[in-house]
Amino acid sequence: DVQMTQSPSSVSASVGDRVTITCRASQDISAWISWYQQKPGEAPKLLISASTTLQSDFPLRFSGRGSGTDFSLTINDLQPEDVATYYCQQVAFFPQTFGGGTKIDMK
Amino acid sequence: EVQLVQSGSQMKKPGESLKISCKASGYNFDKYWIGWVRQEAGKGPQWMGFVYPEDSDTRVNPSFRGQVTISVDKSLTTAYLQWSSLKASDTAMYFCAKWAGVGSYSLGMDVWGQGTTVTVSS
Repeated sequence: DVQMTQSPSSVSASVGDRVTITCRASQDISAWISWYQQKPGEAPKLLISASTTLQSDFPLRFSGRGSGTDFSLTINDLQPEDVATYYCQQVAFFPQTFGGGTKIDMK
Repeated sequence: EVQLVQSGSQMKKPGESLKISCKASGYNFDKYWIGWVRQEAGKGPQWMGFVYPEDSDTRVNPSFRGQVTISVDKSLTTAYLQWSSLKASDTAMYFCAKWAGVGSYSLGMDVWGQGTTVTVSS
């Protein structure tokens, strides 16, 4: 299975901060990575597909980049509503695998 | 509106069977992969598998192969996840999800059900 190593596992940040989450794949997955946002008690929501394509439900302060094995999700100008856990998922190979998650909370 | 509505929470005993459902609406059901994601309390999601309704092509995570059955009924636009003999370790939240992109499983899961809690305890 492709291992997705996500870091950090948690981050505490202030309103307006820039937060970057990284995900490293154990093998080349091209740009086949998705990112999800999950709030407590809710299903995950697709945030970014194919490494860089932002879903229409989300503001432009979210962005994704990367290809091959190294990927990142950046949140600019962090807002209180961004408090959530974020997961990466590789969709290049079966089984599709998720990273361990990054929990963002507010200082 | 594209929507996935799952069946209700279940409490079962070890060894019992169970079939949970996911009713899809608002899109061409046949043309999008639909499947299941497991999430244990406090842990990350785990992809279980999915099925392409048009031809019933099914892919199952080897970790779950032989433990669960994933199926669809096109006439009811409903996907199913089934166990023949539950274990306590099957206790988790199960989400159904639709994959984005016609015929594609490479663009992530863009629509999710509300989740079905399965609790297995003697």
